[in-house]
Amino acid sequence: DIQMTQSPYSLSASVGDRVTITCRASQSISTYLNWYQQKPGKAPKLLIYAASSLQSGVPSRFSGSGSGTDFTLTISSLQPEDFATYYCQQTYSTRYTFGQGTKLEIK
Amino acid sequence: ELQLLESGGDLVHPGGSLRLSCAASGFTFSSYAMSWVRQAPGKGLEWVSTISNSGGTTYYADSVKGRFTISRDNPKSTLYLQMNSLRAEDTAIYYCANQNGDYWGQGTLVTVSS
Repeated sequence: DIQMTQSPYSLSASVGDRVTITCRASQSISTYLNWYQQKPGKAPKLLIYAASSLQSGVPSRFSGSGSGTDFTLTISSLQPEDFATYYCQQTYSTRYTFGQGTKLEIK
Repeated sequence: ELQLLESGGDLVHPGGSLRLSCAASGFTFSSYAMSWVRQAPGKGLEWVSTISNSGGTTYYADSVKGRFTISRDNPKSTLYLQMNSLRAEDTAIYYCANQNGDYWGQGTLVTVSS
């Protein structure tokens, strides 16, 4: 299986900060990568697909980049509603593995 | 409006069986592959299984292979997950999601405990 490794595991930041989360695949996955946001008690929400395409309705402060094995999710200016857990997921292999998650907390 | 609604979650003893359902509406169900994803209490997301749009091809995580069976009924727009030989580590919220990951159900809780 393709292993997905996110860093950091957790992150403390303030409203207005620029935040970057990274995701590394154990082998090349081209741009077959999704990013999700999950809030407590809720289903995951798709933010970014194909590594850098913004899902409809998602604020433009979210952006994704990368290809091959290294990817990043950037939030340009944190808003109060952005404090949540973020997951990457590879869709290159049909065994759609997730990263372990990055919990973004208020500083 | 596109909607996915899971059901069937319950408390079951180790070694027991359970069948989850996911009723889809608002889109052409038969056109999309579908997946089950689970989340153990306080843990991250774990992909469980995917089925092709026709139902002819299925994929499973190693942790459930041989115990779980994914299937679908396209005329009924319903996805299923038959879970046998359940273990404590299968305790989780089970979500169904469409191929693109842009639509998810609300989840159904499976608890495996004696």
